[in-house]
Amino acid sequence: GAVVSQHPSRVICKSGTSVKIECRSLDFQATTMFWYRQFPKQSLMLMATSNEGSKATYEQGVEKDKFLINHASLTLSTLTVTSAHPEDSSFYICSAREIAGPVGYTFGSGTRLTVV
Amino acid sequence: GQQVMQIPQYQHVQEGEDFTTYCNSSTTLSNIQWYKQRPGGHPVFLIQLVKSGEVKKQKRLTFQFGEAKKNSSLHITATQTTDVGTYFCAGPASSASKIIFGSGTRLSIRP
Repeated sequence: GAVVSQHPSRVICKSGTSVKIECRSLDFQATTMFWYRQFPKQSLMLMATSNEGSKATYEQGVEKDKFLINHASLTLSTLTVTSAHPEDSSFYICSAREIAGPVGYTFGSGTRLTVV
Repeated sequence: GQQVMQIPQYQHVQEGEDFTTYCNSSTTLSNIQWYKQRPGGHPVFLIQLVKSGEVKKQKRLTFQFGEAKKNSSLHITATQTTDVGTYFCAGPASSASKIIFGSGTRLSIRP
């Protein structure tokens, strides 16, 4: 089945630095990928929709200048958390769906970001 | 805005007991999906329901889609420790290709 690879799985960074998270669709192309944020014991909150070759669509309340999304190819989307602060510490997960493939979205394994 | 709620938020059962989680949408859905997220893991797609009143089964799991296509349920018969996790329903947003996740129901089991 469709596989989405996400890395790093864990990252610890200092306040003020930037962190890049990669999301790759393996064996399928994804014109659209989704980035979610999940706090402990809570649901997945959609941050933005990543569109290949065009600008990402951000959800209300998500700072586009802070969470930079790039979808330069049909198999790769990246999320960069810029000038990270402790309140950005969270679990970030990407997902994608294979066009004309099985229904349902495939999720990456997630990235646990800790900002110290 | 569009909301998808689930109840209960938590459920702690004895192994072998049944479990049910209910999903309610503020709007009519064209389809509903269910996902399972194990502790420390990522969501995994379980099933999609499309038709009004549809019922689907996967071994001990029974999924239903309401007649009005605004609610859904997941029922697990005779829970096992492998069923531990959070179950999310998700429906398509009224616009664009994104889906909206429910608040989730976390299932824990006493062996």
